Amino acid sequence: KQEVTQIPAALSVPEGENLVLNCSFTDSAIYNLQWFRQDPGKGLTSLLLIQSSQREQTSGRLNASLDKSSGRSTLYIAASQPGDSATYLCAVIGYSGGGADGLTFGKGTHLIIQP
Amino acid sequence: KAGVTQTPRYLIKTRGQQVTLSCSPISGHRSVSWYQQTPGQGLQFLFEYFSETQRNKGNFPGRFSGRQFSNSRSEMNVSTLELGDSALYLCASSPRGGEKLFFGSGTQLSVL
Repeated sequence: KQEVTQIPAALSVPEGENLVLNCSFTDSAIYNLQWFRQDPGKGLTSLLLIQSSQREQTSGRLNASLDKSSGRSTLYIAASQPGDSATYLCAVIGYSGGGADGLTFGKGTHLIIQP
Repeated sequence: KAGVTQTPRYLIKTRGQQVTLSCSPISGHRSVSWYQQTPGQGLQFLFEYFSETQRNKGNFPGRFSGRQFSNSRSEMNVSTLELGDSALYLCASSPRGGEKLFFGSGTQLSVL
């Protein structure tokens, strides 16, 4: 059974710092890995998707890497801003039968950027 | 393009009742998946529908069921509600499944 762990559970940093969020998963047979952010009382917004054959993806100040062999992914946020404050969730899709399975989520990292 | 729409936004039910939640995916998306989010367990996959067929199912009891209509809209039903079913229920859609997911704002269910 796939398990996804995110470290740290919470993080508070001053505005302008670069930071790294970590995600690990137990089963390397994944279809893809996605990073989401969730704002309080709202649904999830997809940030980056990395296919199992890829090593990294970038979008603006965000960069996500994937190392399938070690079961790890990192989300790098450059020049953090107060608007980046949210819960960041990592999720993997595994294989099931003939196709992709449902997402398995980590518990998230609650990020606070201090102005 | 309109996003994923979930109705209702909030629901209050009592134990033993049943409830139906609705999800309208982004136009053109044929895969709809459902998730339960609680403070203790986090986000857990319930099931996925594609072209009116349940394609994947998570580890939830049979009280949780769903269906998808020919226009890709999906409903989720929970029968014989328990206190532990109180949660935020999220729906997500994608064109075929296994790609970038687009989530709705969720239905907050409270069971009293």
